[in-house]
Amino acid sequence: GAVVSQHPSWVICKSGTSVKIECRSLDFQATTMFWYRQFPKQSLMLMATSNEGSKATYEQGVEKDKFLINHASLTLSTLTVTSAHPEDSSFYICSARDSISDTQYFGPGTRLTVL
Amino acid sequence: SQQGEEDPQALSIQEGENATMNCSYKTSINNLQWYRQNSGRGLVHLILIRSNEREKHSGRLRVTLDTSKKSSSLLITASRAADTASYFCATDRWRTYKYIFGTGTRLKVLA
Repeated sequence: GAVVSQHPSWVICKSGTSVKIECRSLDFQATTMFWYRQFPKQSLMLMATSNEGSKATYEQGVEKDKFLINHASLTLSTLTVTSAHPEDSSFYICSARDSISDTQYFGPGTRLTVL
Repeated sequence: SQQGEEDPQALSIQEGENATMNCSYKTSINNLQWYRQNSGRGLVHLILIRSNEREKHSGRLRVTLDTSKKSSSLLITASRAADTASYFCATDRWRTYKYIFGTGTRLKVLA
């Protein structure tokens, strides 16, 4: 099946720094990608919808200036956590929608730890 | 709330027994998917059932969907210790392609 990759798979950073996470669809084009966040022992919460060539749309309560999303090509979306703080430590998962098969594929996730 | 509900929140059974998890959701959907997640790992897709389907099988998995009750169930037959994981249902909200995840069921299969 289709594969979605994320890079890095884990990252540790100091408080106040910015971290970029990449999400790539490897063998299909994705006009729409999604970003989720998962805190320990909790479910996935949708953060935002990333649209190729246009601005991302954010779910209620998610700060768009804090979580910058760029979907510059049909195979790549990036999430930048700006001025990260310990409370941003979480598991971030992206998904990409294959519009031809109308199927959504999830990446393996990125574990962010902010010290 | 963004999320659907799953019950039970936690389930502990003996190897060989069947495990049943239920999922309820709130809005009209295109399809519903079930995922497994081992602790600290990514999601593993198990099965997709479309809104016009009522039941689907895949190996030891059986999924039912009742759109009138906005609910689904996942049955794992003859469970194994390796089935120990968290299980989530996810529904894609009609015409938005957004997947909303349920609260999850933590399954523990005792050897």
